[in-house]
Amino acid sequence: EPEVTQTPSHQVTQMGQEVILRCVPISNHLYFYWYRQILGQKVEFLVSFYNNEISEKSEIFDDQFSVERPDGSNFTLKIRSTKLEDSAMYFCASSDNPGPQETQYFGPGTRLLVL
Amino acid sequence: QKEVEQNSGPLSVPEGAIASLNCTYSDRVSQSFFWYRQYSGKSPELIMSIYSNGDKEDGRFTAQLNKASQYVSLLIRDSQPSDSATYLCAAGTDRGSTLGRLYFGRGTQLTVWP
Repeated sequence: EPEVTQTPSHQVTQMGQEVILRCVPISNHLYFYWYRQILGQKVEFLVSFYNNEISEKSEIFDDQFSVERPDGSNFTLKIRSTKLEDSAMYFCASSDNPGPQETQYFGPGTRLLVL
Repeated sequence: QKEVEQNSGPLSVPEGAIASLNCTYSDRVSQSFFWYRQYSGKSPELIMSIYSNGDKEDGRFTAQLNKASQYVSLLIRDSQPSDSATYLCAAGTDRGSTLGRLYFGRGTQLTVWP
């Protein structure tokens, strides 16, 4: 069964460093999302992406964040200068139908720890 | 601001019992609703989706939606220890404005004891 994959599974970085989280959405999906979940808290929407453009971003997704689809398979989230509060689990999701009955499929996540 | 509220639990039921999970949402524009299961340290896994008022059954799971009351529930029949997880309720947004951003509740932790 097709699935969303994410790398790395774990990332430890120093505050102020740049990190790139990678996702490979399900192959025929065209709509992509990043969510994050701080330990013990809700899953929170960061950004949605379609046709090489950001469709919507949340208030969390400030200038330190960017997304890119550098080729036909990868979808990346970059955090330019990490902060301690960026420590969280980051989930990529994809769907093939953003209509009324859309289903978003989540990847396994990348656990980011900022020291 | 769209809000999705769930009882955080923990909810504890014996094996074979019915587990009932509840969720309310604050925005009448939300059209689609989802239940995800999340094991500790893992990603959300879709269990059920529901878009119309009434009940939707899939195996041991039944989702119920009441848009007038802004209420969604999930029933798990014949609960198994493997059902022990956190159950996340999520609401999808108005299709006219977004590409399907989901708003999640905090989740209800369910424990099924043998």
